[in-house]
Amino acid sequence: NAGVIQTPRHKVTGKGQEATLWCEPISGHSAVFWYRQTIVQGLEFLTYFRNQAPIDDSGMPKERFSAQMPNQSHSTLKIQSTQPQDSAVYLCASSLKDWGAFNQDTQYFGPGTRLLVL
Amino acid sequence: GQGVEQPAKLMSVEGTFARVNCTYSTSGFNGLSWYQQREGQAPVFLSYVVLDGLKDSGHFSTFLSRSNGYSYLLLTELQIKDSASYLCAVRDPNYNVLYFGSGTKLTVEP
Repeated sequence: NAGVIQTPRHKVTGKGQEATLWCEPISGHSAVFWYRQTIVQGLEFLTYFRNQAPIDDSGMPKERFSAQMPNQSHSTLKIQSTQPQDSAVYLCASSLKDWGAFNQDTQYFGPGTRLLVL
Repeated sequence: GQGVEQPAKLMSVEGTFARVNCTYSTSGFNGLSWYQQREGQAPVFLSYVVLDGLKDSGHFSTFLSRSNGYSYLLLTELQIKDSASYLCAVRDPNYNVLYFGSGTKLTVEP
């Protein structure tokens, strides 16, 4: 099992350009989560999918950010018109399932995509 | 929202122990997870606690007090390689989304 795969590992964009980040969850996992990590804000939840359906995007900036999961093997996070404050490590995680009280299913994280907006 | 707080830094000595504290104030609670993260790498799951008390997992132990909104991760017999950031995260009661603290950077000195 290769774990959660994220590509690219590093991305540099100019201000105003678009950036698309890719995530391949662990096979068989039904829940996929996106987080963003910066030194100042730490690790912040952005959005997540259950069986490819968007469930909660309360952490997503409403403008410029969008996420999709067109099939069970990959999800994308797209940032339009990137700004320097978007520079961060974007982490994807997956878990076997996401529901149920005291659900102990672990979220497994990918290595992240380090985005730098110049 | 989920307010999760951790001290930024902690130092300890090889062969001794370190306790990483975490306090939280939440609108709901569905357990608390601990992760280890090395520089430039993904967070790695260590432990999940949902009941009060101490959970012993060998090198790592975790404690939870739900009435006080407090947890700690205890590392014993420290090794240099335990130097890393340790993140605590509270689970949203509805969707198991994780709300992370800012992490504690542990430095283990010889």
